[in-house]
Amino acid sequence: AIQMAQSPSSLSASIGDRVTITCRASQGLTNDVDWYQQKPGKAPRLLIYDASSLESGVPSRFSGTTSGTDFTLTISSLQPEDFATYYCLQDYNYPYTFGQGTKLEI
Amino acid sequence: EVQLLESGGGLVQPGGSLRLSCAASGFTFTNYAMSWVRQAPGKGLEWVSAASGSGVSTYYADSVKGRFSISRDSSKTTLYLHMTRLRAEDTALYYCAKSADEYSNYGHFDNWGQGTLVTVSS
Repeated sequence: AIQMAQSPSSLSASIGDRVTITCRASQGLTNDVDWYQQKPGKAPRLLIYDASSLESGVPSRFSGTTSGTDFTLTISSLQPEDFATYYCLQDYNYPYTFGQGTKLEI
Repeated sequence: EVQLLESGGGLVQPGGSLRLSCAASGFTFTNYAMSWVRQAPGKGLEWVSAASGSGVSTYYADSVKGRFSISRDSSKTTLYLHMTRLRAEDTALYYCAKSADEYSNYGHFDNWGQGTLVTVSS
């Protein structure tokens, strides 16, 4: 199975900061990586699909990039509602695998 | 509007069985693959199983292969997860999720249910 090594596991930041979260895949998988946001007690929400495509309704401060087997989620200017846990997911092949998650805290 | 409503969770003893359901509406059920994703208390997300739109192709995580079975009933637009030989480590909130790509067995999840809690304990 493809492993997705996500870092950091936690991150402290302030309103207005620019933050990046990275997932490194254990093998090449084209652009089949997505990013989800999860708030406590809620289901995950899709932010980015196919590495860099912004889901409809998601603010443009969220963006995704890729370089080889490294996939990065960037939030350009943190807003209060962005404090949550973020997960990457590879949907290149089964079994799908999530990263371990990044908890973004104030 | 897409709606996914899970049910069937509860308390079960180790070694027991349970069937989860996910009632779907708001889209053409047979055109989209569906998955189950779980989250143990305080832990991250783990993909569990998927079924193609027709239900012919099914996929499993190694951790549940041979114990869990996914199926779908197009007449009821419902996805199921039949869980047997349950273990303490299967304790989790189980979400069903809809794939975004029509007519594909793969792809990201654009809609999620709210989850149903399974607790495996004696």
